[in-house]
Amino acid sequence: KAGVTQTPRYLIKTRGQQVTLSCSPISGHRSVSWYQQTPGQGLQFLFEYFSETQRNKGNFPGRFSGRQFSNSRSEMNVSTLELGDSALYLCASSLAAGLYSEQYFGPGTRLTVT
Amino acid sequence: GENVEQHPSTLSVQEGDSAVIKCTYSDSASNYFPWYKQELGKRPQLIIDIRSNVGEKKDQRIAVTLNKTAKHFSLHITETQPEDSAVYFCAASIPGNQFYFGTGTSLTVIP
Repeated sequence: KAGVTQTPRYLIKTRGQQVTLSCSPISGHRSVSWYQQTPGQGLQFLFEYFSETQRNKGNFPGRFSGRQFSNSRSEMNVSTLELGDSALYLCASSLAAGLYSEQYFGPGTRLTVT
Repeated sequence: GENVEQHPSTLSVQEGDSAVIKCTYSDSASNYFPWYKQELGKRPQLIIDIRSNVGEKKDQRIAVTLNKTAKHFSLHITETQPEDSAVYFCAASIPGNQFYFGTGTSLTVIP
């Protein structure tokens, strides 16, 4: 079974631009979560989608948004990029965001904002 | 919401010694506790997990214990090897909710 994939793997943008990242979950997985990882900051939860609905949301500004499609693929968008948005963005999928649901991570998209 | 604390933030051990990482959680509704290992430049990988109806689980050199009363769980690595060097994250999950991660422990195994 193919793992979680993310595209693109690397991205360089300038301040003020917007960016869209994509995540394809493991086949059959309906839940997709997004995390921001910066050095020394661990995994900061952005949001989680299940069956095309945002079910949980972290403490990030409205510039960060996402969506999930009927095939469970998910995208996240960051508008008006700031230097502090430079980070590794990880998505993770699980069978269902519920009882004992193992979560598997994608390789991440490394975003650099200049 | 849930709050997961993880200690220590860094840990150095001699090869062959044991390593223990501890996490506490605040919400008694949490019932699933995975541990992830993240090597430099790689994605976090699930290495072991435990459910709230189990007190201990072991997989070769790795074991996890859960104390629901005290709301803490621990990762134990025995006979450490240099390839165990990585950042380890604990997490807690409430059904239908997000995963709450600890801040990570950077483990260095000294040959």
